[in-house]
Amino acid sequence: EAGVTQSPTHLIKTRGQQATLRCSPISGHTSVYWYQQALGLGLQFLLWYDEGEERNRGNFPPRFSGRQFPNYSSELNVNALELEDSALYLCASSLGLAIGELFFGEGSRLTVL
Amino acid sequence: GEDVEQSLFLSVREGDSSVINCTYTDSSSTYLYWYKQEPGAGLQLLTYIFSNMDMKQDQRLTVLLNKKDKHLSLRIADTQTGDSAIYFCAESRESNDYKLSFGAGTTVTVRA
Repeated sequence: EAGVTQSPTHLIKTRGQQATLRCSPISGHTSVYWYQQALGLGLQFLLWYDEGEERNRGNFPPRFSGRQFPNYSSELNVNALELEDSALYLCASSLGLAIGELFFGEGSRLTVL
Repeated sequence: GEDVEQSLFLSVREGDSSVINCTYTDSSSTYLYWYKQEPGAGLQLLTYIFSNMDMKQDQRLTVLLNKKDKHLSLRIADTQTGDSAIYFCAESRESNDYKLSFGAGTTVTVRA
């Protein structure tokens, strides 16, 4: 069974540009979570999608947005990139409410120059 | 995150026991988790404990929960070099739709 897959693995952008990160959950999982892992800050919750709807949102500005498609895959968009957006963006999936376990992808490393 | 705090670094000798500590702020936390992140990889669930339990043991791993002090610990017996990783404590509760809140992670370095 394929795990959570994320693309691209690495992405380099310049300030002001836009970045799009993609995530495919484990087959059968309806919930997708996005976390930002910046150096020294641990995992900061960004967004949670379930059944195509945004379920919860972390304390991030509106330029961080996303969506979940009918096949439950998800996309994270970051507009007007800033240097401090450089981080590892982790996607995780679960069967509905994340009671028990989130399954994580290996992440997309975004570098903003 | 501010809901969960853990020390940032731990160095332990191979064969010794490691104890990683975590405190959380919300007494209504229902589930408490330990995740492991090896270099260049995503997070992997090690174990979790429901808040009405005091202890959970799984092979070399022992989780202790002190609900009164809102303190969670993970003990790794006979620590091996493969245990070198970042360990994240996390909590979830019904009031937050069981969204996981993670600590900053404890980097465990196992020395020979």
